[in-house]
Amino acid sequence: AQSVTQLDSQVPVFEEAPVELRCNYSSSVSVYLFWYVQYPNQGLQLLLKYLSGSTLVKGINGFEAEFNKSQTSFHLRKPSVHISDTAEYFCAVSLRSGTASKLTFGTGTRLQVTL
Amino acid sequence: GAGVSQSPSNKVTEKGKDVELRCDPISGHTALYWYRQRLGQGLEFLIYFQGNSAPDKSGLPSDRFSAERTGESVSTLTIQRTQQEDSAVYLCASSLALRGDEQFFGPGTRLTVL
Repeated sequence: AQSVTQLDSQVPVFEEAPVELRCNYSSSVSVYLFWYVQYPNQGLQLLLKYLSGSTLVKGINGFEAEFNKSQTSFHLRKPSVHISDTAEYFCAVSLRSGTASKLTFGTGTRLQVTL
Repeated sequence: GAGVSQSPSNKVTEKGKDVELRCDPISGHTALYWYRQRLGQGLEFLIYFQGNSAPDKSGLPSDRFSAERTGESVSTLTIQRTQQEDSAVYLCASSLALRGDEQFFGPGTRLTVL
């Protein structure tokens, strides 16, 4: 079975500062990796995903993430955050093989951006 | 085009009552998923439908939970004899059948069991 760990439940940061949201996963088979964002009172939206190829993945709103196979990590970064980035961020994985593409999610990291 | 829609947006029920939650996926999406998000926790997978294949029910927490899907369209999630621990936001998602494809989520149904 696979699992996802997001060590930081909350990350406070000032506007225009850089931020890194950490994600580690565990799986006995290869996985695809995703970051989803949930803005206040809205549904989940895909930020970015890693399927194959370059380990540095760029997503929407200036976010990027780097897949590190040896450390089984997929940390999310943004060089300069904005107030509007305040949201809940979820890391997720799905299996590369088998019949189902269900997502296994971490518990989420609440990013709070202040002036 | 329209996204994934869910109804009702909010549902308050009494312990022991049955509830039905509805999901309308994006047209053309053959895969449909139900997840549950309890307060302060991540999303838990419940059930997955893919075309005419048998659904993957491995995430259903008890036999009080069941779901159906009509062809490649509407799905209903039914919870019988609701318990307070069933209180959560129930999210539906749909996607194309391609492995690794983005899942598009609906706004969810917030279920409160009194």
